[in-house]
Amino acid sequence: EAGVTQSPRYAVLQEGQAVSFWCDPISGHDTLYWYQQPRDQGPQLLVYFRDEAVIDNSQLPSDRFSAVRPKGTNSTLKIQSAKQGDTATYLCASSFPGGSYEQYFGPGTRLTVL
Amino acid sequence: GDQVEQSPSALSLHEGTGSALRCNFTTTMRAVQWFQQNSRGSLINLFYLASGTKENGRLKSTFNSKESYSTLHIRDAQLEDSGTYFCAAEAIGGSNYKLTFGKGTLLTVTP
Repeated sequence: EAGVTQSPRYAVLQEGQAVSFWCDPISGHDTLYWYQQPRDQGPQLLVYFRDEAVIDNSQLPSDRFSAVRPKGTNSTLKIQSAKQGDTATYLCASSFPGGSYEQYFGPGTRLTVL
Repeated sequence: GDQVEQSPSALSLHEGTGSALRCNFTTTMRAVQWFQQNSRGSLINLFYLASGTKENGRLKSTFNSKESYSTLHIRDAQLEDSGTYFCAAEAIGGSNYKLTFGKGTLLTVTP
C-alpha cells in the first residue's frame, strides 16, 4: 500500500512570492490533515478535512494561507505572499476511521523563505 | 499552557542501554500516538494507543488516560534509534480528531 505522498520536497522563495504544496493521501483515507513544523518544534495542525469538507481551519492564517480538497482525495495548501516566518516543513497526514484515527504522515515539504 | 508536556527534551544513551520518555497531559485524552522523526524529517509511526500497553521489538508504550500520561520505553538502544521522538494526543470531545504534539525528545545513541 502506497503511503502519503507530497510534492515538492523542497521549496525556496523570496518574501512576497506564492507557493503551493500538494498531498495525495493513502487510498481510502477520508480524513486529511495539514501541519506546519517550524525547525526544532513539534508539528502544529493548520487545517483538516473529512472528505471535501473543512472540519477545522482555526489555526490557518486565513489572510495568506488557503487549503482545498475538492474531490475528497488530493489536497493543495497554498501560501500567498510568503513571509520569512513561514519557513518550516509542511506535513500532510491522512487517517481512516476504521476503528481508530491513527494518522500517517507524508515526507513533508521543506520551505525556506528568504 | 501546553496540553502535551514531553520530557526529557534531550537524552543521550550508549548502545545497549535503555531509558523512558514521558508525556503528561493537562486535559483528558482519547488516544496517543508516538512517532520517531528521522534525519530526513519523516515521521515514522511507532504506536497508537487508546489504552493499556503495546510492545514492538525493543520498544514498549503505555497510555493511562485516567492519570493523564503516556510513556515510551526503549531498551537495548541501537545507533539507528537516534532521532527525535514525539508523542501526540487526541483530546476527548465531539468529533475532534486533531493531534496535539509535544515538543519532542532528541535522542542520541552513541557507540
